[in-house]
Amino acid sequence: DTGVSQDPRHKITKRGQNVTFRCDPISEHNRLYWYRQTLGQGPEFLTYFQNEAQLEKSRLLSNRFSAERPKGSFSTLEIQRTEQGDSAMYLCASSNTGGSTDTQYFGPGTRLTVL
Amino acid sequence: AQSVTQLDSQVPVFEEAPVELRCNYSSSVSVYLFWYVQYPNQGLQLLLKYLSGSTLVKSINGFEAEFNKSQTSFHLRKPSVHISDTAEYFCAVSDRFPTSGGYQKVTFGTGTKLQVIP
Repeated sequence: DTGVSQDPRHKITKRGQNVTFRCDPISEHNRLYWYRQTLGQGPEFLTYFQNEAQLEKSRLLSNRFSAERPKGSFSTLEIQRTEQGDSAMYLCASSNTGGSTDTQYFGPGTRLTVL
Repeated sequence: AQSVTQLDSQVPVFEEAPVELRCNYSSSVSVYLFWYVQYPNQGLQLLLKYLSGSTLVKSINGFEAEFNKSQTSFHLRKPSVHISDTAEYFCAVSDRFPTSGGYQKVTFGTGTKLQVIP
C-alpha cells in the first residue's frame, strides 16, 4: 500500500491556459474522489467515481472542469481556460467498498496558482 | 443537509499542556464522524473515526475523541501535546447511508490550526 499519489504537486499557470492533474489511488480502492480546498476552508467535494463511472458531480464543477477515470484506476482532472478563482489545492482521495464505511484516504494534493 | 462547525480557527497551546479542539455537527440522519490532520503543504491524513460501538475512539499518537449524540459533538482531545502536533485539524461528518450513486457524502469543517508553543 503506497498511498494515494498526485502529480504535479505544484502548478503555476497563466489565466486562460488549460491544466491537467493526475491522481493514482490506492491500488485496491474502487472509489475515487476529487476535492478542492481554498485557503482557510476545509475540502469541498467536486466529483466521485466508482470504478470508471463518474456517479456524482458537485455544482462547484463548472463546465470548464472535466474528470475522467478511463480504466477504473488513475484519474485526471482537467481545468480549461483557467481563472484566478481556480487557484486552490486540489485533493484526490480513494476508498474501498469492501468495508462497512467509506473511509477516504487522501493524497498530498496539487496546489494550483493561476496568475 | 449536514454541516460541521469548528468554532476555533486557531488554538495556541504550550508544549505538554492538554488541548481540546471542538467540533459540532448537524445532520438529519445517523452519521459517521472523522478527524483528519493536515501538515503544511500536505494532504489530509485520517487521525481517528467513529463508526459505531464505543463512543470514545483513540488514535495511535495519543489523541482521542468522544461522540456525544445528545450534544451532537465530536471533540478532539490530547492530554499532553508535542511540538510535532502543530498542524491543522479537520472534523468531518458522513451520512451512514449512501446517495443513489453510492456516494457517502462527507462534509468537512473549516479546520482548527493547532499551534504548539515550546
